Amino acid sequence: DQQVKQNSPSLSVQEGRISILNCDYTNSMFDYFLWYKKYPAEGPTFLISISSIKDKNEDGRFTVFLNKSAKHLSLHIVPSQPGDSAVYFCAASAREYGNKLVFGAGTILRVKS
Amino acid sequence: GAGVSQSPSNKVTEKGKDVELRCDPISGHTALYWYRQSLGQGLEFLIYFQGNSAPDKSGLPSDRFSAERTGGSVSTLTIQRTQQEDSAVYLCASSLVSDTEAFFGQGTRLTVV
Repeated sequence: DQQVKQNSPSLSVQEGRISILNCDYTNSMFDYFLWYKKYPAEGPTFLISISSIKDKNEDGRFTVFLNKSAKHLSLHIVPSQPGDSAVYFCAASAREYGNKLVFGAGTILRVKS
Repeated sequence: GAGVSQSPSNKVTEKGKDVELRCDPISGHTALYWYRQSLGQGLEFLIYFQGNSAPDKSGLPSDRFSAERTGGSVSTLTIQRTQQEDSAVYLCASSLVSDTEAFFGQGTRLTVV
């Protein structure tokens, strides 16, 4: 039972344009959401997070939007840069489950220059 | 060191042998995770240690897999009688209980031949 889903395995975007990465979840108990970025041969690195009490969190070029009614979140990167090319993982956690992180399958982002 | 440290970084083993993978979490982090990423796949949860609570072992794929965390710090993931399907990158992460952002190590690439 995949509780966190990233339905797009890959995304290709032109440099300077907006990248939109999507994530859906099924468990309404999730109250904290995170995005991680992973380069080849490295561990994932934390990018940005959002609590379920908010619907938007912004950090520089990165903005995460949360739509609780739709159980959907998205990561916007604008403007996209070639160095953003990586695998992006969505993750969710719930206090009820000891804050254990549940990850999606990842989306490969390629930013073309 | 300041980050999560995993050793070895690479391990090649013969089918049927036992292997031990080590994780040194960030000092003071009471939560520790093990995940694995098989080729072309997402992050698969294996086990979660949180403080003095009983570990969440729900992700361990078989009884050949076990993990322990001694003294609330270093963790060892043991795979007995390795199989070729165990080949993957094994990732360890740690976090403060009060902060669900987890920091990952660089992983151990396990190859079973």
